[in-house]
Amino acid sequence: AQSVAQPEDQVNVAEGNPLTVKCTYSVSGNPYLFWYVQYPNRGLQFLLKYITGDNLVKGSYGFEAEFNKSQTSFHLKKPSALVSDSALYFCAVRDRGTGFQKLVFGTGTRLLVSP
Amino acid sequence: DAGVIQSPRHEVTEMGQEVTLRCKPISGHDYLFWYRQTMMRGLELLIYFNNNVPIDDSGMPEDRFSAKMPNASFSTLKIQPSEPRDSAVYFCASSNKPGLGIYTFGSGTRLTVV
Repeated sequence: AQSVAQPEDQVNVAEGNPLTVKCTYSVSGNPYLFWYVQYPNRGLQFLLKYITGDNLVKGSYGFEAEFNKSQTSFHLKKPSALVSDSALYFCAVRDRGTGFQKLVFGTGTRLLVSP
Repeated sequence: DAGVIQSPRHEVTEMGQEVTLRCKPISGHDYLFWYRQTMMRGLELLIYFNNNVPIDDSGMPEDRFSAKMPNASFSTLKIQPSEPRDSAVYFCASSNKPGLGIYTFGSGTRLTVV
């Protein structure tokens, strides 16, 4: 089965510093990978996706993610963190079952940006 | 568009009672998903619909859970009887491009069963 792993429960970074939230994947076939963000008391919001093409994909709010096939990773990055980026971040992979319509989410990583 | 609308936002009920969660997807989205979020298990897909038809309910925990989508603009998730272990945040999401992984989530219903 397709799966993603987020090895860090929490990431702490100071405002203005670069941030990285890690994700590794395990898939058969070509991976379709995604990042979502969840702000407190809100639903998840789509940030970005990788399907094919350039290994560096850009998304909303200045976030980007780097696809690395050899390391089976899809880390989320931002050059300069904002306090408002503090939220729960989920990596996801498209599942192969039932016509590739389901997303399987990782366990989430809480990002805390301090002023 | 107002987005995916879920109601109620919060529900507190006693064990054994019936609970009904509601969802209105975005107009034109032909896929609807129900997820459950807990600290222990993260986000779990319970069931999803395409054009109002249930496609995959393999994530539904047990027979106490049921979901319906009587029309394109409304879906319900029912738990009967409810148990304390059902306490979680339940999300509804809709999409017209599920293959591209672009879902729109509602704000969720926080269910507490005491």
